[in-house]
Amino acid sequence: KQEVTQIPAALSVPEGENLVLNCSFTDSAIYNLQWFRQDPGKGLTSLLLIQSSQREQTSGRLNASLDKSSGRSTLYIAASQPGDSATYLCALETSGSRLTFGEGTQLTVNP
Amino acid sequence: EAQVTQNPRYLITVTGKKLTVTCSQNMNHEYMSWYRQDPGLGLRQIYYSMNVEVTDKGDVPEGYKVSRKEKRNFPLILESPSPNQTSLYFCASSPTLAGGNYEQYFGPGTRLTVT
Repeated sequence: KQEVTQIPAALSVPEGENLVLNCSFTDSAIYNLQWFRQDPGKGLTSLLLIQSSQREQTSGRLNASLDKSSGRSTLYIAASQPGDSATYLCALETSGSRLTFGEGTQLTVNP
Repeated sequence: EAQVTQNPRYLITVTGKKLTVTCSQNMNHEYMSWYRQDPGLGLRQIYYSMNVEVTDKGDVPEGYKVSRKEKRNFPLILESPSPNQTSLYFCASSPTLAGGNYEQYFGPGTRLTVT
């Protein structure tokens, strides 16, 4: 059974810092990995999707990498802003049309 | 606007009183699913549907029912709610799943409290 771990559970940084969120998984037989953002009281917003054959994806200040052999993905946020404060979740699609989520990293960017 | 809608957004009910949470998407997506989110447990899949009339159990289906009579709608039914079903529920949709390069779109969530 796929298990997904996100470290750290919470992170607080000053505005302007570059930061890395980590996601590790136990089963490398994945179709893709997706990073989401969740704001309090709201649903999930997709940030980046990396297919299993890809190594990374970029969108603006966000860069996500995928290393299937080591069972790891990272989400890099450059020049963080207070508006980046949210919970970030990674999710993996595996066989059987399943999405398995990590518990998330709660990010606070202080002005 | 492309979106997934859920109703109601907030619901407080009593044990045993049947309820339905509706989910609708306007993107002609084939795949729809329901998740519950609980502190310390993260998001867990309840049921999913690959297409009309095709549904299957996720990781935590006990106590829930679903139906997929139309492509756009995927209601979640709690026949006899219990306090352990107090949770935040999300509906999601995608053009398809199973290896495609497709993102999941999530609804805004339904916060359910069963007393």
